[in-house]
Parts: sequence; structure tokens; C-alpha cells
Amino acid sequence: RKEVEQDPGPFNVPEGATVAFNCTYSNSASQSFFWYRQDCRKEPKLLMSVYSSGNEDGRFTAQLNRASQYISLLIRDSKLSDSATYLCVVNDYGGSQGNLIFGKGTKLSVKP
Amino acid sequence: EAGVAQSPRYKIIEKRQSVAFWCNPISGHATLYWYQQILGQGPKLLIQFQNNGVVDDSQLPKDRFSAERLKGVDSTLKIQPAKLEDSAVYLCASSQTSVGTYEQYFGPGTRLTVT
Repeated sequence: RKEVEQDPGPFNVPEGATVAFNCTYSNSASQSFFWYRQDCRKEPKLLMSVYSSGNEDGRFTAQLNRASQYISLLIRDSKLSDSATYLCVVNDYGGSQGNLIFGKGTKLSVKP
Repeated sequence: EAGVAQSPRYKIIEKRQSVAFWCNPISGHATLYWYQQILGQGPKLLIQFQNNGVVDDSQLPKDRFSAERLKGVDSTLKIQPAKLEDSAVYLCASSQTSVGTYEQYFGPGTRLTVT
């Protein structure tokens, strides 16, 4: 089955820092990409979809490089509330109707 | 809008016992998923339903796991008999569709401990 690899972390950063997460995927046929956020002992929630041209949502910027099969997430001006695990997610287009393949996640801890 | 409901939230059983989990998706969502999330890992898809039909169960250990969605709404996932390595959080998710860019909404999960 296709794989999604992420920096394992943890990333420990001070408030206000900029932090970047990287992710690579193995299925070149993948068409849809996402970042999900998972708080401790909670369910994953969609943070943002990732589009080919890159996209930004407030302090969060996602980039996609199809040639390198690489996805990134940049968080600017980190807040304490950003502390969570960030899951890179790829549509397994090789499977039936596009199942989502989750990376293991990168844990972020923002300190005061 | 009500979210995905799951029960029970926690379950502790001994190995070789059986256990069942229940999920009620968001109203109107045709696609339902069961995931297994082992500590320190991302969720792994076990089975995907489209209405009441199975779309993908390639990663479901069928010798011990079974799932059904008889009326195309709520679903149950069963493990019989359980093994120690089944200790995990079982997440149910639903989406309106499963084609293109879509969001999966997750329930709170059932935390299973097998002793």
C-alpha cells in the first residue's frame, strides 16, 4: 500500500516562532492532499486542503510539489493553541474511490 | 449540525473476548469509514462503506474483524476474538462523497484496551 512519510518531531518552539512541517508521498497518482490536526486524545479535524498552486489560510500556508511528491505546512506566529499533532493526508487514488492515507503525524508543542 | 456519534467511548476487555463498536454518521453522509489508530501512528483505514455497500475492506483482518451498515446509516464494527495488538482507538468518519476533494468528519473514537 502507498505510504505517507512525515517528520516525526516533536517540534518544540516558542510562541511567535515560524515552524514548517514536511511530508512526502509515494503514490504519484494521488490527486488530493490535506493537513489534518489532532489534539491530544481527540479526533482528527481537517485543517486545510492543499492545492497545486499553494494556499494560505491566515497564519497557515500549505505548498504542494507534485514533481518531488512533497507537501509542506508553514505556521507563522505560533500560538499556544497550535500545540497538536499535524497529520499529512493523501488521497490514495490507486485505491477504490480515493481512500485517505494518513502519515504518522508531527507533534508540535508551542511554549510560552 | 450533529457530528459523528460513537459508542462506547472506552472499552476494556480480555484477549479472546469479543467487542462491538457503534457509529452514527452525520445525517445525509453516504460514505462511512472505520479507522484504527494505534498510539503514535496515524489512522489506518479498515473499511469504507458507500451507503450500505462495502467499497474497500482490503485492510480489514477478516478472520477476526467484521463490519456492517445494513440500512446505509449507522454501522457496527466487531472484533472476535480480540488480541492484545487490537488495543487502539477506533475512529468512525463520514463524508458526503468520496470523490475528489472532500472532508471526512471524525467521531470522538472508541478507545479499546485488550488485556
